[in-house]
Amino acid sequence: GQQLNQSPQSMFIQEGEDVSMNCTSSSIFNTWLWYKQDPGEGPVLLIALYKAGELTSNGRLTAQFGITRKDSFLNISASIPSDVGIYFCAGYQGGSEKLVFGKGTKLTVNP
Amino acid sequence: NAGVMQNPRHLVRRRGQEARLRCSPMKGHSHVYWYRQLPEEGLKFMVYLQKENIIDESGMPKERFSAEFPKEGPSILRIQQVVRGDSAAYFCASSRGGGAQPQHFGDGTRLSIL
Repeated sequence: GQQLNQSPQSMFIQEGEDVSMNCTSSSIFNTWLWYKQDPGEGPVLLIALYKAGELTSNGRLTAQFGITRKDSFLNISASIPSDVGIYFCAGYQGGSEKLVFGKGTKLTVNP
Repeated sequence: NAGVMQNPRHLVRRRGQEARLRCSPMKGHSHVYWYRQLPEEGLKFMVYLQKENIIDESGMPKERFSAEFPKEGPSILRIQQVVRGDSAAYFCASSRGGGAQPQHFGDGTRLSIL
C-alpha cells in the first residue's frame, strides 16, 4: 500500500536547537497532518494542513504543505526536553477516509 | 488524547483465545477508525466505521478480525483465535465527520499473545 517516506529516522539535538523533518510521497495528498507520540500513548495532533503551499504554526512548531502536494515539512524552533518523542506525518489521498502514516522521526533532546 | 477512550490499555491472551478491544469516540464524533502499530513502525489503517455501518475495511485481515460500531455503546474490534503475530498496539481514532477531517486518537490497547 501507499507509504510516506519520513526523514530523518532519528535525531539527537541539544536543547535550544532548531529541528527540521520532512515527509515525501510518490503520489499527491490532499491533507497533511503531523502528530507526536510519547511512549505508551496515542498520537496527538500537532498541525493540520489543507492547501498546497500552506504554512501553519502552533507555538514553536511550523509545518508546510509542499506546493507539489507530495511533501510536507515540520520545523521545531528552540527545542526543549519535553519535545522528546516520535513525530509522525500522515495524510489523506483524494476520496479516501483513511490516514496513511510515515514511519516516524524519533527526536531526542539533550538538556 | 483526552476524549477518545480505549480499554483495556493492556490485554494478554493465549494463542487461540479471543481478544475484544473497545473504543468510545470523542463526544460529538460519529466516525471511528482502527489502526495497528508494530514496534518502530507507523500506524496502519484497518477499518473505518460510522454508527452501525462499516465504511471501509480494506485494511482488515480477511479472517479472524471483525469490527462493529453499534447504535449504542462503544466500537469493538474483535480478534478471534489470536496468534502471536497479532501482538501489537491497536489504536482507535475518531473524527466529527468524514471528508478528511483530523482524526483524534486514544491511548491504544497493547495486545500481547502468549
